[in-house]
Amino acid sequence: GAVVSQHPSWVICKSGTSVKIECRSLDFQATTMFWYRQFPKQSLMLMATSNEGSKATYEQGVEKDKFLINHASLTLSTLTVTSAHPEDSSFYICSARTGGANNSPLHFGNGTRLTVT
Amino acid sequence: AQSVTQLDSQVPVFEEAPVELRCNYSSSVSVYLFWYVQYPNQGLQLLLKYLSGSTLVKGINGFEAEFNKSQTSFHLRKPSVHISDTAEYFCAVSISSGAQKLVFGQGTRLTINP
Repeated sequence: GAVVSQHPSWVICKSGTSVKIECRSLDFQATTMFWYRQFPKQSLMLMATSNEGSKATYEQGVEKDKFLINHASLTLSTLTVTSAHPEDSSFYICSARTGGANNSPLHFGNGTRLTVT
Repeated sequence: AQSVTQLDSQVPVFEEAPVELRCNYSSSVSVYLFWYVQYPNQGLQLLLKYLSGSTLVKGINGFEAEFNKSQTSFHLRKPSVHISDTAEYFCAVSISSGAQKLVFGQGTRLTINP
């Protein structure tokens, strides 16, 4: 089946540094990928929709200058957390659709645990 | 806008007992409905989905869910649970046209006791 690979699975960084998280669709092309954030014991909150070859669409309240998204190819989207602070510590999950329709399967990566010290 | 409410944050049950995880949604347009399972420190895995047709949908691992339009519900059920079913379960909705994003419920922690 379709596989979405997310890297790294966990990262620890110092406050003020930037961290890049990669999301790859391994065996299919994804024109659209989604980035979610999940706080402990809470649900997934959509941060942004990443579109290949165009600017990402951010949800209300998400700082686009802090969470930079690049979707340069049909198999790779990256999320960069710039000037990270402890409150950015969270579990970040990406997902991708195998097709363009709303009922096409959505496949999730295994997530990235970010800890900012 | 769409919203999803999972009425129970935690559900403890004994092994081999039946379980129902409740989910209600709100939307002014037609929707697709999904149930996902999340194991610790992992992404989400699709259990089942309702797109159209039969209101009773069967998924993986012996789970099933029934779409009830009049009650705007999509409850998840399993007749006999196993220890391995211990996980977080999320109900989600997307509209059937236009934007592709999923809106998730708050999640239900299912704990199976021996």
